[in-house]
Amino acid sequence: EVQVLESGGGLVQPGGSLRLSCAASGFTFSSYAMSWVRQAPGTGLEWVSTISGSGGNTYYADSVKGRFTISRDNSKNTLYMQMNSLRAEDTAVYYCTKGYCTSTSCPPDYWGQGTLVTVSS
Amino acid sequence: DIQMTQSPSSLSASVGDRVTITCRASQSISNYLNWYQQKPGKAPKLLIYAASSLQSGVPSRFSGSGSGTDFTLTISSLQPEDFATYYCQQSYSSPFTFGPGTKVDIK
Repeated sequence: EVQVLESGGGLVQPGGSLRLSCAASGFTFSSYAMSWVRQAPGTGLEWVSTISGSGGNTYYADSVKGRFTISRDNSKNTLYMQMNSLRAEDTAVYYCTKGYCTSTSCPPDYWGQGTLVTVSS
Repeated sequence: DIQMTQSPSSLSASVGDRVTITCRASQSISNYLNWYQQKPGKAPKLLIYAASSLQSGVPSRFSGSGSGTDFTLTISSLQPEDFATYYCQQSYSSPFTFGPGTKVDIK
């Protein structure tokens, strides 16, 4: 059974940093692109970042470019998001997602339960 | 960047109704268009990928069509469990933008 499980969310002050993790199981992790999608309270979905199966290609939304870094450890079946210079507008539930096929343009077919990041003083 | 719009932003319908939601891209995205369903407090669920391919396990009352810039999600006979918010997303080029969503509620 495919599972993706996020951790690392919490309350952080503006300008602070946080690292999200996503533990994956039930599929060949290194074969699939993985993404982070977020949802601010009461709003719609916002794609944040995607990383290819090998980790060699990464893509970011303009809103996080230069502040967030996506990475993966295929030996640990784990996806990461390092978030620096956090702003109030980064407050959201962050979902870890698995692409339904190997290409980075494949949409997510499995989503975690989400982890809440709150940026506030 | 490719902008995605959806219409309507919300609709009220009855069980058994045929429901159609449209999604428009600001430039051609071929068939790189996906549809998701999200219920309150839950993660989104992939319904349709590549504009018209039904994701495994999704009921056949859901269908998608379109190519280029204009796309449609149709629910042929609305069921009680279909009341939710629906999002389109383009996967043609980064940033892989979502539409603003369409909320389907009970009439």
